[in-house]
Amino acid sequence: EVQLVESGGVVVQPGGSLRLSCATSGFTFDNFAMVWVRQGPGKGLEWVSLVTWDGDTARYADSVKGRFIVARDNSKKSLYLQMNSLRPEDTALYYCAREARFLEWFEAFDVWGPGTMVTVSS
Amino acid sequence: DIQMTQSPPSLSASVGDRVTITCRASQSINTHLNWYQHKPGKAPKLLIYAASTLQSGVPPRFSGSGSGTDFTLIISGLQPEDFALYYCQQSYSSPRTFGQGTKVEVK
Repeated sequence: EVQLVESGGVVVQPGGSLRLSCATSGFTFDNFAMVWVRQGPGKGLEWVSLVTWDGDTARYADSVKGRFIVARDNSKKSLYLQMNSLRPEDTALYYCAREARFLEWFEAFDVWGPGTMVTVSS
Repeated sequence: DIQMTQSPPSLSASVGDRVTITCRASQSINTHLNWYQHKPGKAPKLLIYAASTLQSGVPPRFSGSGSGTDFTLIISGLQPEDFALYYCQQSYSSPRTFGQGTKVEVK
């Protein structure tokens, strides 16, 4: 069974740092790009970051660029999100998801974890 | 960045109704458009990719259409389990932006 499980979400003070992890199983991890998506309280889904299968390329939403770093360890089949200089507006449920390629040209997030909650508050 | 605009933000419907949700991209994205269903306390679920292709296991009452900038998700014969939030998302370029969501509520 394909599974993604996030961890590391806690309450942290503004300006603090946090590292989220996403453990995966049931598929060939290094065949897929991986993403982080978040949902703030009362808000919609917001794409946060993407890392390619080999970890060589990362992309970020403008709202987190320069503060968050995405990484992966293919030997451990795990994805990470280092979150620095946290702000109250970063408060959200953070999901990791697999980006699958369909029909050779189309990408979509086909498997998601249950999410881990990050609260930034003093 | 490509902006995705969904309408309506919410709608009320009854079991058996036909429901239509639209999504507009700020520039052409060909058919690089996905639809997700999201229920409270659960992970989002991929329904449709490439604008019109049903993900494996998704009931055929869900259908998608469109290309370029205008897209539609139709639920033909709404079922009780379909009351949820629905999001479109473009995969044409990075950042992979989502629409703001459409909440399908019980009438």
